[in-house]
Amino acid sequence: DVKVTQSSRYLVKRTGEKVFLECVQDMDHENMFWYRQDPGLGLRLIYFSYDVKMKEKGDIPEGYSVSREKKERFSLILESASTNQTSMYLCASSPTGKNSNQPQHFGDGTRLSIL
Amino acid sequence: SQKIEQNSEALNIQEGKTATLTCNYTNYSPAYLQWYRQDPGRGPVFLLLIRENEKEKRKERLKVTFDTTLKQSLFHITASQPADSATYLCALRPPYGQNFVFGPGTRLSVLP
Repeated sequence: DVKVTQSSRYLVKRTGEKVFLECVQDMDHENMFWYRQDPGLGLRLIYFSYDVKMKEKGDIPEGYSVSREKKERFSLILESASTNQTSMYLCASSPTGKNSNQPQHFGDGTRLSIL
Repeated sequence: SQKIEQNSEALNIQEGKTATLTCNYTNYSPAYLQWYRQDPGRGPVFLLLIRENEKEKRKERLKVTFDTTLKQSLFHITASQPADSATYLCALRPPYGQNFVFGPGTRLSVLP
């Protein structure tokens, strides 16, 4: 069974801090994604990656960056945290291919609060 | 850009009845549509995929339909049980797009 593990379930940080959210998948999936989920807005794609060291912007990349140095690990970085980045962050992975229709496998999320 | 609407934020039904959730979209017709289930405090879990040339897909008590004329997908759970209570998300991939776009979800409560 695919397992996507996010490093923290809950995180509290201060405005202006640099924040790292880590995600690891154990199924050798090529594709990895970072979303944020807010009430009434659904999941919104921040960044995604189809291969190691490769990244592409999603719909809401402003204020975020990512890193994918190894295939199994995809990190989301908040360069200078702001209160409007308080949200639930979800990482997902899926098997090969750009334009893949394969299901995404999600982690259980990190609830991030920026004070 | 694609706009996705899912029927009322919350839906309550009686155990044993059929739950019907809707996913409506505007603009272009998606090439593929997925449905996910999300429990509180957990990530979404994939349930079903349906292609634009498929009218219907079934899996055990679940049925999904796809009507490109109405720009709508319906998700049915027959003989619903309290354990089916969760939020259900639809996700669409446009014909030329790389990624799926998710709807806001419908929270289903099955009452005993």
